[in-house]
Amino acid sequence: DTGVSQNPRHKITKRGQNVTFRCDPISEHNRLYWYRQTLGQGPEFLTYFQNEAQLEKSRLLSDRFSAERPKGSFSTLEIQRTEQGDSAMYLCASHSRKESNPYGYTFGSGTRLTVV
Amino acid sequence: AQRVTQPEKLLSVFKGAPVELKCNYSYSGSPELFWYVQYSRQRLQLLLRHISRESIKGFTADLNKGETSFHLKKPFAQEEDSAMYYCALSRIQGAQKLVFGQGTRLTINP
Repeated sequence: DTGVSQNPRHKITKRGQNVTFRCDPISEHNRLYWYRQTLGQGPEFLTYFQNEAQLEKSRLLSDRFSAERPKGSFSTLEIQRTEQGDSAMYLCASHSRKESNPYGYTFGSGTRLTVV
Repeated sequence: AQRVTQPEKLLSVFKGAPVELKCNYSYSGSPELFWYVQYSRQRLQLLLRHISRESIKGFTADLNKGETSFHLKKPFAQEEDSAMYYCALSRIQGAQKLVFGQGTRLTINP
């Protein structure tokens, strides 16, 4: 377990279809975050889990978006009825709140979604 | 409102020249400040954080609470420093979600 893994790396979908992304965090990290990054912008926070509990959601996360983290391990992000505006890079990050962790977040490589 | 501003989208300097990437923030309280870097075809990674007061790869950043700034500096740029740099902040306690600036693309010319 050498890092945060995201699948798929790329996803092209037609408008109106549903898509699901997966994130496997570093196993000992209890916190997991989803971010969205559009071209020319920094990542924007979407939602956050501590273990299996979803503790915060951004206003960016419309009703079409849902995220889960069953058993506090991997997480999925589903987008229903995709729109062209959903095209972006979706980043997952994990983090340990242990005070001995000086390394901040560990990010995955992201899933690039293109809605056509 | 929490906000991070990086006024330069692009910055180009010659190898060996000093580099300064600007970052200003607005936050009600005492945030934790970070610089993240993304090299070509690599994932976003932490460069440094203000509480550690470290120098990483020759880069330093000083938190100036009076000016609400956290500028990133390096006295002598190297070609391998070419990358996308993001300034970010989070609360010290709680969720610790990150608020990012829009990023600065640094290019070091030979």
